[in-house]
Amino acid sequence: ETGVTQSPTHLIKTRGQQVTLRCSSQSGHNTVSWYQQALGQGPQFIFQYYREEENGRGNFPPRFSGLQFPNYSSELNVNALELDDSALYLCASSSGQSGANVLTFGAGSRLTVL
Amino acid sequence: GIQVEQSPPDLILQEGANSTLRCNFSDSVNNLQWFHQNPWGQLINLFYIPSGTKQNGRLSATTVATERYSLLYISSSQTTDSGVYFCAVNPYTGGFKTIFGAGTRLFVKA
Repeated sequence: ETGVTQSPTHLIKTRGQQVTLRCSSQSGHNTVSWYQQALGQGPQFIFQYYREEENGRGNFPPRFSGLQFPNYSSELNVNALELDDSALYLCASSSGQSGANVLTFGAGSRLTVL
Repeated sequence: GIQVEQSPPDLILQEGANSTLRCNFSDSVNNLQWFHQNPWGQLINLFYIPSGTKQNGRLSATTVATERYSLLYISSSQTTDSGVYFCAVNPYTGGFKTIFGAGTRLFVKA
């Protein structure tokens, strides 16, 4: 059984650029959720995808968008990067539409915006 | 929206000591999970515990859903227990989302 993998592990961007982060879900899981964790804070829910549809969203602007693919892997896209977007981005997979099942997290992608 | 509060925010223990971490939530939830985040940022699921009590080795957790709180017990703490402990809930209303508390930062001294 493979776990959740995220790429890239680290990246540096400049303000105004766009970034794409990727996540492969654990085998058998059909739901993926994304979180932003700023330094010293708890993870903040960005959105959740179930069977290729977004079915839950937190308080993030539209420049945060995502996709889920037929194999349940997922992408997080952030446009027009701002300095405050610097954070650890975490992906989690689970089974079931609600996402209210055991979450398995990847190791995260650490984004620095200069 | 639902509020999730964890206490204490910081905790320093001598190796071998016991501790209790608390998570309060302001509304009904479908489930509650406890996680440990290691110094490298990896979140490990400790318990999936919408209600009742579970034990796993030196760790145990109790959730009293009707009173909207959960407790995580760590017994005979070890230096490897250091890190940040988070509780996360799925609200019963308000759509599909997972809300984390701010965490308890634990440091266990040798």
